[in-house]
Amino acid sequence: QSVLTQPPSVSAAPGQRVTISCSGSSSNIGNNYVSWYQQLPGTAPKLLIFDNHERPSGIPDRFSGSKSGTSATLAITGLQTGDEAAYYCGTWDSSLSAGVFGGGTKLTIL
Amino acid sequence: EVQLVESGGGLVQPGGSLRLSCAASGFTFSSEAMSWVRQGPGKGLEWVSGISGDGSTTYYTDSVKGRFTISRDNSKNSLYLQMNSLRAEDTAIYYCAYGLYHLDYWGQGTLVTVSS
Repeated sequence: QSVLTQPPSVSAAPGQRVTISCSGSSSNIGNNYVSWYQQLPGTAPKLLIFDNHERPSGIPDRFSGSKSGTSATLAITGLQTGDEAAYYCGTWDSSLSAGVFGGGTKLTIL
Repeated sequence: EVQLVESGGGLVQPGGSLRLSCAASGFTFSSEAMSWVRQGPGKGLEWVSGISGDGSTTYYTDSVKGRFTISRDNSKNSLYLQMNSLRAEDTAIYYCAYGLYHLDYWGQGTLVTVSS
């Protein structure tokens, strides 16, 4: 059971927009920055979004993040077949003094 | 270019020990906190442990407290994870990652299998 809650799967057609939610509590998302990671099959995770909505260099603006209260959302627009991957949210939990992740969401491109 | 290369994984019996290493390059290692994250077979990511840049502060997830020890040698640009009293549920790919509150770069991982 993960500390952060994500839907197990989402799907959409190429070119469409999809959102992935991440729900937590006041000890984690509510008082800390959220990051998002993409894990393509058979590879290591890659940072997509940090500090709730910032993109590292090289990440296209099709990927965006937002946070409200104890929840965060990753949005992906203009879906491409190469976006098919698992997506994880992560943050720090101040009560646990530890990092925490969501269970991951598998994105399928129809 | 940031590079993180893990080593030290392998097959170990329950109750055994293993020491993972991570060789870092391409950034000022001593200035950056580092983390270990693991991923069990077919499972999601689990944050395991983190350490401050100077090594003075360490953090652990509850399931490894008292069994795992994170450390670093800034003179060698290396991060370590000493794993003792290993259990079957510790079987996973272990990733070394740059950062603590968000993980900017990840290594390719090293596989640890705990089985008799």
